[in-house]
Amino acid sequence: SQQGEEDPQALSIQEGENATMNCSYKTSINNLQWYRQNSGRGLVHLILIRSNEREKHSGRLRVTLDTSKKSSSLLITASRAADTASYFCATAADTNTGNQFYFGTGTSLTVIP
Amino acid sequence: KAGVTQTPRYLIKTRGQQVTLSCSPISGHRSVSWYQQTPGQGLQFLFEYFSETQRNKGNFPGRFSGRQFSNSRSEMNVSTLELGDSALYLCASSLARPQGQYFGPGTRLTVL
Repeated sequence: SQQGEEDPQALSIQEGENATMNCSYKTSINNLQWYRQNSGRGLVHLILIRSNEREKHSGRLRVTLDTSKKSSSLLITASRAADTASYFCATAADTNTGNQFYFGTGTSLTVIP
Repeated sequence: KAGVTQTPRYLIKTRGQQVTLSCSPISGHRSVSWYQQTPGQGLQFLFEYFSETQRNKGNFPGRFSGRQFSNSRSEMNVSTLELGDSALYLCASSLARPQGQYFGPGTRLTVL
């Protein structure tokens, strides 16, 4: 399976602390994206990093990509209770049936007020 | 702009029945993808439509099919429902690959 894996599966932190989640994948990719999902609802796109980029920032989010290790990390700084959600990485890769998205298993983040 | 909308939001069916789910993408978005989300398998890609043509397909049986209309609205059909088809079905639209996708709220299908 080309599905990514995320680590940790669950993370609980105090408000104000930083949260780091990692994503590993198996094949070459065109880009990697991070999404947030609140309690069984639709996903919200957070950030996209292309395969030729190493780091990207968006507000309190910082994403790194290491294609040699086939891994990415998402850092949320100064966390808030509203950041409580599941976070997924998704890789876009070319396959024999076209360009597909593969989602990771997700990290469940709980931010305690 | 209005976001991606999906109808219905909740659906209960029995084994053997068929179901059709609908997705309206963000205005101007021509790519529509469908995903199945279950606690055991996570998020799995079903298929993607672009300009009324199926452009990509995941590893799902032929009971799962879809189509896209000229206004980019898309429907997904599942025939001969099985208990294991119970899931949250998510639709996502984008302007073009490989941009980020905008997801709808999903349709929660329960098969009894």
